[in-house]
Amino acid sequence: EVQLVEFGGGLVQPGRSLRLSCTASGFTFDDYAMHWVRQAPGKGLEWVSGINWNSYSIDYADSVKGRFTISRDNAKNSLYLQMHSLRAEDMALYYCAKDLGPMVRGVFDYWGQGTLVTVSS
Amino acid sequence: EIVMTQSPATLSVSPGERATLSCRASQSVSSNLAWYHQKPGQAPRLLIYGASTRATGVPARFSGSGSGTEFTLTISSLQSEDFAVYYCQQYNNWPPTWTFGQGTKVEFK
Repeated sequence: EVQLVEFGGGLVQPGRSLRLSCTASGFTFDDYAMHWVRQAPGKGLEWVSGINWNSYSIDYADSVKGRFTISRDNAKNSLYLQMHSLRAEDMALYYCAKDLGPMVRGVFDYWGQGTLVTVSS
Repeated sequence: EIVMTQSPATLSVSPGERATLSCRASQSVSSNLAWYHQKPGQAPRLLIYGASTRATGVPARFSGSGSGTEFTLTISSLQSEDFAVYYCQQYNNWPPTWTFGQGTKVEFK
C-alpha cells in the first residue's frame, strides 16, 4: 500500500523558514517523480514544486520560485521542501504527492494527508 | 497561466442519478487533463488522467471526455461516497505552471 506521510509543519513568523519532509513507503521511491501541492484553508489546490526521480529536473510555481527548494533523498525514501521568506499567503496544508512515472508529468496519483503551515506573527 | 474554469460551482444530485461536471481551459491543453475528488478532511484522490483514462481502482461509473479546451466528468449513477468536491487540473504546459480549477461541489439533493 502506497503511503506518504508529511511532517514539519507548524506556526512560523513571516519572513522565517521552515522545512517540510515526506516519507514514502509501499512503492519504489526512486522510480517516481514527486511533488508538493498546497491548499490554503477553505480554498482550492495549487501545485508548488516537482522533482524527477534523480533530481535532475526540478520546477517551481512562480509564487514560490526563489524562496522554496525541493529535494529528495532516495536512500531514505524522503522528499523535502525548504521554505524561506515565508509570507501570509504561504499558509496552507502542504501535500506530498507521487507522480505517475519517473519524469515530472504533473499527474498526482497518490497523496499524503498533508502538514499544515501557519504563517503569523 | 492557463486558467481552468469549472461549472457548475455546486451540483445537487440524488443518489442513483447521473452527474455531469464541466471544465474549460483558457487555451488548449490537448488531452493533458486530470480529475480529482476530495472529501472533507481528506486528501484529493486521482480519478481520471489523460482526459479519459481511469486511475487504478476507480469505479467504472466515472468517465471523462473531451480534449483541447472543453472537458466533462460524468458519474453515471451517483453513490453516497461520491459526494465531494471535484477538481480538474491541466498538466499540459512546459515549464510547468500546472493549474487546477476552482472545484465543483457535488452535494446531496
